[in-house]
Amino acid sequence: SQTIHQWPATLVQPVGSPLSLECTVEGTSNPNLYWYRQAAGRGLQLLFYSVGIGQISSEVPQNLSASRPQDRQFILSSKKLLLSDSGFYLCAWRSTGLNQPQHFGDGTRLSIL
Amino acid sequence: AQKITQTQPGMFVQEKEAVTLDCTYDTSDPSYGLFWYKQPSSGEMIFLIYQGSYDQQNATEGRYSLNFQKARKSANLVISASQLGDSAMYFCAMDGNNRLAFGKGNQVVVIP
Repeated sequence: SQTIHQWPATLVQPVGSPLSLECTVEGTSNPNLYWYRQAAGRGLQLLFYSVGIGQISSEVPQNLSASRPQDRQFILSSKKLLLSDSGFYLCAWRSTGLNQPQHFGDGTRLSIL
Repeated sequence: AQKITQTQPGMFVQEKEAVTLDCTYDTSDPSYGLFWYKQPSSGEMIFLIYQGSYDQQNATEGRYSLNFQKARKSANLVISASQLGDSAMYFCAMDGNNRLAFGKGNQVVVIP
């Protein structure tokens, strides 16, 4: 069966520090991969998605970036974090094909101080 | 572009009763998929149920069922026999262009 791993679960970082959140998927190949951010009490905002290695689509211009160095690995990064980067970050995967559900990792709670 | 609307305020529901969560959508695509997700306070997003636009029957999955009215562009989630563990945020979503468009969610609190 397919599983998705996302880490760390919680992270506290100072303003201006770098960021690296990692997400890996097991049990499937060539998945679509997604990074979302959720502010407290709000809906999900799609940040990036990828349909293949090295292919990244950005939905919202910001100081975050994403990379997909391997088929089942998706990384969210920043060179310098802002206070506004605080939130709950969720990684998700889905199989290619029409109308497949996305399956989410457990999320990372990021607090910027 | 797809748009999902969830406008209900937070809901309290008595344990063992049914609850209906409203979702309306807008799209120009002839073929689309609709999804419901549950997000408990711990944060994970749990896939509940899927409805395809060409499906002839309303989707059901255990205690979850979807009241799909295509002409009205609505896809309401019905949770039967509510349990305390059903307390969560519920998100409606629509598939399009390799991504999901999410609504803002409905808060449900089940009371004993």
